[in-house]
Amino acid sequence: DQQVKQNSPSLSVQEGRISILNCDYTNSMFDYFLWYKKYPAEGPTFLISISSIKDKNEDGRFTVFLNKSAKHLSLHIVPSQPGDSAVYFCAASLTGNQFYFGTGTSLTVIP
Amino acid sequence: DAGVTQSPTHLIKTRGQQVTLRCSPKSGHDTVSWYQQALGQGPQFIFQYYEEEERQRGNFPDRFSGHQFPNYSSELNVNALLLGDSALYLCASSPWRGHYEQYFGPGTRLTVT
Repeated sequence: DQQVKQNSPSLSVQEGRISILNCDYTNSMFDYFLWYKKYPAEGPTFLISISSIKDKNEDGRFTVFLNKSAKHLSLHIVPSQPGDSAVYFCAASLTGNQFYFGTGTSLTVIP
Repeated sequence: DAGVTQSPTHLIKTRGQQVTLRCSPKSGHDTVSWYQQALGQGPQFIFQYYEEEERQRGNFPDRFSGHQFPNYSSELNVNALLLGDSALYLCASSPWRGHYEQYFGPGTRLTVT
């Protein structure tokens, strides 16, 4: 049973525009959410996170929004840059001891 | 400061064989988690080790076992390999159990023929 879902396998965005990556989850007990970025032949790299008690967290060009009532989170990247092209995974955690990952969204930023 | 390292990088095994994968956590980290990432899928949690004990386990059969050593490094063992075990195996470490941000290694690509 997939508890974290990323329904868009791929996304293409023009350089300078906003990229919005979406993620849905089913377990209301998740208390922390994270976004990871993965380049080919590398492990996932932590990007940004949000606690379930917040609805927004910003870090430079990256902002994560959490809508608990809809069990939905999104990652906004603005402005998008070609170096942002990668696979993005959202993940959800139960007390930090077990993590559930989505299937990933491949982002392509077109120069 | 070395990050999470894994060995070997690639491995080819035959169905029914056994395999051992190794992981050294980031300096200062004492908790290690293992994940299996099949092609086109996200990482699936296998188990987590802390203080040399398995603390959490995902939905994986007993053929998957592990070990953590006093220096916090870890091994993942898979017995009686199946074709479906072919995947990228990722190790992640964190500074303490319950810490949310995990640091991943580059993974070991296992191919079972």
